[in-house]
Amino acid sequence: DTEVTQTPKHLVMGMTNKKSLKCEQHMGHRAMYWYKQKAKKPPELMFVYSYEKLSINESVPSRFSPECPNSSLLNLHLHALQPEDSALYLCASSQDSPSGRAGEQYFGPGTRLTVT
Amino acid sequence: QKEVEQDPGPLSVPEGAIVSLNCTYSNSAFQYFMWYRQYSRKGPELLMYTYSSGNKEDGRFTAQVDKSSKYISLFIRDSQPSDSATYLCAMRGFYNQGGKLIFGQGTELSVKP
Repeated sequence: DTEVTQTPKHLVMGMTNKKSLKCEQHMGHRAMYWYKQKAKKPPELMFVYSYEKLSINESVPSRFSPECPNSSLLNLHLHALQPEDSALYLCASSQDSPSGRAGEQYFGPGTRLTVT
Repeated sequence: QKEVEQDPGPLSVPEGAIVSLNCTYSNSAFQYFMWYRQYSRKGPELLMYTYSSGNKEDGRFTAQVDKSSKYISLFIRDSQPSDSATYLCAMRGFYNQGGKLIFGQGTELSVKP
């Protein structure tokens, strides 16, 4: 099974709201990722967690706050977002090792976020 | 110049045609090459994953990697309307922290019945 699940499927939030996106995988993968995708563009990497530790932050604004509570779960906490943050937010996972030789990366279905 | 170049299309073909999708890249450190299929408003689905140069076949799909030319291809035989989607190439280096992928822009494919 190569399934990555994400909740919610859709989210509409105002600029003053606080919300969270959730991601889960049960493939035993130790690397998990958050991507942002705008229409007709490829996914854009935001964060990488390796063995539950943040290993890459692609200079993402602090209104996005990632959290990895355990090896199966990944959250993205959202606060004071802007309308330009409206996008498809994708979670992905892959095997990882201390040397960074990650395997195939599997994506979830995404959360479609609209900021009003 | 982008690290990975991919013609965005759109590409329109009749049902049953052979489709050829391509990417070129500039970074000789790339070792792992992937093709993803993405339907509208869905997450990318991994189709093919190859290491270094060579061919890999899976059903109607064949992936080719030519590292000497820095060129990768995905061939779809007997294309079906259900193949209509955006196809993304992606690649990364061997010792690449966290497995960061570099994506092409994606090619939009439409297969007409």
